Amino acid sequence: AQKITQTQPGMFVQEKEAVTLDCTYDTSDQSYGLFWYKQPSSGEMIFLIYQGSYDEQNATEGRYSLNFQKARKSANLVISASQLGDSAMYFCAMFYSGNTPLVFGKGTRLSVIA
Amino acid sequence: ETGVTQTPRHLVMGMTNKKSLKCEQHLGHNAMYWYKQSAKKPLELMFVYSLEERVENNSVPSRFSPECPNSSHLFLHLHTLQPEDSALYLCASSQGVRGWTEAFFGQGTRLTVV
Repeated sequence: AQKITQTQPGMFVQEKEAVTLDCTYDTSDQSYGLFWYKQPSSGEMIFLIYQGSYDEQNATEGRYSLNFQKARKSANLVISASQLGDSAMYFCAMFYSGNTPLVFGKGTRLSVIA
Repeated sequence: ETGVTQTPRHLVMGMTNKKSLKCEQHLGHNAMYWYKQSAKKPLELMFVYSLEERVENNSVPSRFSPECPNSSHLFLHLHTLQPEDSALYLCASSQGVRGWTEAFFGQGTRLTVV
């Protein structure tokens, strides 16, 4: 079965420091997409970044970058220069061909400390 | 106006009540989804609608009844719920069900069944 694993239930990071949130996935498909979403306390899921399985370069969006290691089946999110507003739940999700969209991991709660 | 709007934001209902959750998207998307988010569990996909046709029903109990009258609106009708149905219900939309595009989420309805 396809699944997403986020092993860190909670993380703390000092403001202005970088932090890496782990995500590993399991699929036998060759075509798939990986997403990261942020969920603040308000509940809304906010799209952050996307990486396609055939993309040769790691995705970047502002302070967010995705460390994609295909052989290891990992898609870690790196947040640079953390801000207090980054405190939220972060979900890794995967889209794989021939199935329903967006299987989610259990999430990692990130707390940024001043 | 936000892309995906859910109402109400909070709902408390008794087990014998009947209520409905509403979702509206202003993004011109043709696919809409209901997800359930319970504490300490991954997001669970409940229903998928593409072009107003239900294309996915992930073994959801019949006490949850979706309705998609048009591509911009999605409802979740609730009746005779159980306390374990208390959760955050998230609506999402995307351009296509199996396309390589991200899903945009509403802020969710926090449901408490008493």
